[in-house]
Amino acid sequence: GAGVSQSPRYKVAKRGQDVALRCDPISGHVSLFWYQQALGQGPEFLTYFQNEAQLDKSGLPSDRFFAERPEGSVSTLKIQRTQQEDSAVYLCASSPGQGPGEQYFGPGTRLTVT
Amino acid sequence: GENVEQHPSTLSVQEGDSAVIKCTYSDSASNYFPWYKQELGKRPQLIIDIRSNVGEKKDQRIAVTLNKTAKHFSLHITETQPEDSAVYFCAASVEDSSYKLIFGSGTRLLVRP
Repeated sequence: GAGVSQSPRYKVAKRGQDVALRCDPISGHVSLFWYQQALGQGPEFLTYFQNEAQLDKSGLPSDRFFAERPEGSVSTLKIQRTQQEDSAVYLCASSPGQGPGEQYFGPGTRLTVT
Repeated sequence: GENVEQHPSTLSVQEGDSAVIKCTYSDSASNYFPWYKQELGKRPQLIIDIRSNVGEKKDQRIAVTLNKTAKHFSLHITETQPEDSAVYFCAASVEDSSYKLIFGSGTRLLVRP
């Protein structure tokens, strides 16, 4: 079946622009996570949704970052007024239920801020 | 909060040899420990995981061991093959509202043919 998909795969933004990154999780998956992966580093948690509820946004680095999942399926991560330090790969992951278990990752969106 | 340390950062082995990657974690409440393999430019993919009520798990050439008392866990790959070359990440799942994963910094494994 279809895995987690993300779009766009690559995004170049000028400093100060707003960007929106989309995640399509596996159909029926309750949990959805966003991670940020800097070059040569492990993924770092940004935020978590259980269905449409954003239960944890402790990893969002600033109030320029905003995420939503209004209907409990597709999610969008928005970054306002992008800065060079926002350059990274943004990974989305989903899992079938709540609680610990395998997270299925998307291919990521590579964001480059110039 | 949870912190996961991983070493070595790079590991080079001859094809057929074994590879061992080690991780330690800080939060004794963590109860799920997956290992992900990430090839260059690709998504992380789960290769094996272990829960805190188990000490060891094997899947063909891959095994993971967990020592809850010492708060460390290890990945063992036997009979390594060139296609095992990739970056490997350990992670720990925090028992809070999200069960988010806290990742180690990764180990770049190179298997020399």
